Amino acid sequence: QQPVQSPQAVILREGEDAVINCSSSKALYSVHWYRQKHGEAPVFLMILLKGGEQKGHEKISASFNEKKQQSSLYLTASQLSYSGTYFCGTEGESGAGSYQLTFGKGTKLSVIP
Amino acid sequence: DSGVTQTPKHLITATGQRVTLRCSPRSGDLSVYWYQQSLDQGLQFLIQYYNGEERAKGNILERFSAQQFPDLHSELNLSSLELGDSALYFCASSVGDTEDNEQFFGPGTRLTVL
Repeated sequence: QQPVQSPQAVILREGEDAVINCSSSKALYSVHWYRQKHGEAPVFLMILLKGGEQKGHEKISASFNEKKQQSSLYLTASQLSYSGTYFCGTEGESGAGSYQLTFGKGTKLSVIP
Repeated sequence: DSGVTQTPKHLITATGQRVTLRCSPRSGDLSVYWYQQSLDQGLQFLIQYYNGEERAKGNILERFSAQQFPDLHSELNLSSLELGDSALYFCASSVGDTEDNEQFFGPGTRLTVL
């Protein structure tokens, strides 16, 4: 099942904050966040693992609520370079020791001067 | 530059034809993933290979097949093409095959079926 992202789109002025949410209908092992700029490939932002471990970088942070099967991406003091489409990818029970990411439809973030 | 290469960059073909997309993972990465991205469906996972073996299968049509070769490059074969197969096809690679591995995406192959 594809995770649901909200909002679908958001426009920010430089310096403003934003939150992007990602929710799933099934139990999750991990949540991945990627950003894709127009005409480019998705770029890894961070991974949040069941149990609380988080791997990421830069000024972007995220949370993972395992019980609610939700994750949120926090963008603070946004910069023009933050513009792009943000995808969450969720990994749930797939069995047989394998895993696959199911991506949401994305949240388009536009930062304007 | 992620270190993942894909060829060709663009491909235009006709319905009913067959095409092959090629992907070379980053040096040292053993896993290769294929994704299809269309405007209305977003990023759809197709298939994953790890060190030459198929590891996971997603929404891949029977007309599509893939393989990973001993040198770890991978090919995605699309046959009996339909208009709806027009999309951007991404390959990604990662070091391992577990859920804590970040995936590095290639630049993509844009397929247009006329």
